[in-house]
Amino acid sequence: DAGVIQSPRHEVTEMGQEVTLRCKPISGHNSLFWYRQTMMRGLELLIYFNNNVPIDDSGMPEDRFSAKMPNASFSTLKIQPSEPRDSAVYFCASSFRRRTYEQYFGPGTRLTVT
Amino acid sequence: AQTVTQSQPEMSVQEAETVTLSCTYDTSESDYYLFWYKQPPSRQMILVIRQEAYKQQNATENRFSVNFQKAAKSFSLKISDSQLGDAAMYFCAYRSASGAQKLVFGQGTRLTINP
Repeated sequence: DAGVIQSPRHEVTEMGQEVTLRCKPISGHNSLFWYRQTMMRGLELLIYFNNNVPIDDSGMPEDRFSAKMPNASFSTLKIQPSEPRDSAVYFCASSFRRRTYEQYFGPGTRLTVT
Repeated sequence: AQTVTQSQPEMSVQEAETVTLSCTYDTSESDYYLFWYKQPPSRQMILVIRQEAYKQQNATENRFSVNFQKAAKSFSLKISDSQLGDAAMYFCAYRSASGAQKLVFGQGTRLTINP
């Protein structure tokens, strides 16, 4: 069974450019989470979806960040325009909401904004 | 809001020995879940062990076990017979049993295994 898939694994972009991160959750999972990991702030939730509906986006830092989940098998996190302080590792995780509570993480996308 | 604290930024242990990583948390909720995640240099987040707050029995997964002290809000991870592959960052995490599904993470403990 394939795990959570994220693309790209690495992204280097210049300040001001648009960045789109992609995630494919585990088949059958109905909750999807976007986390960000930085040295200063550690791991923090940005947004999560249940059944493709955004439930809590209080962690989204500002309007430059947006996330969508058009269907059960795909989600995007977009940053526009990107800034150097957005450099971080972005994780996508999924879980089966009705059952237990484990969240399974993707390999992460390392974003560098120069 | 819930918080999770890992007071040991770094720990080291000799191969085959036992090491305990500390975690404390703060919450006003009575029902919740606690987790330990491992993050090796590959940066993949791997679930090591989980504990349901309503269970008094401490969780065990092979060489990994926890000491869950609900009243003290403490949740430590014990790794027995440490192996070189155990070297990683370890994160303690909290999740409410109702309401918010998000994981709240501690700052992590970097574990080094000395051969």
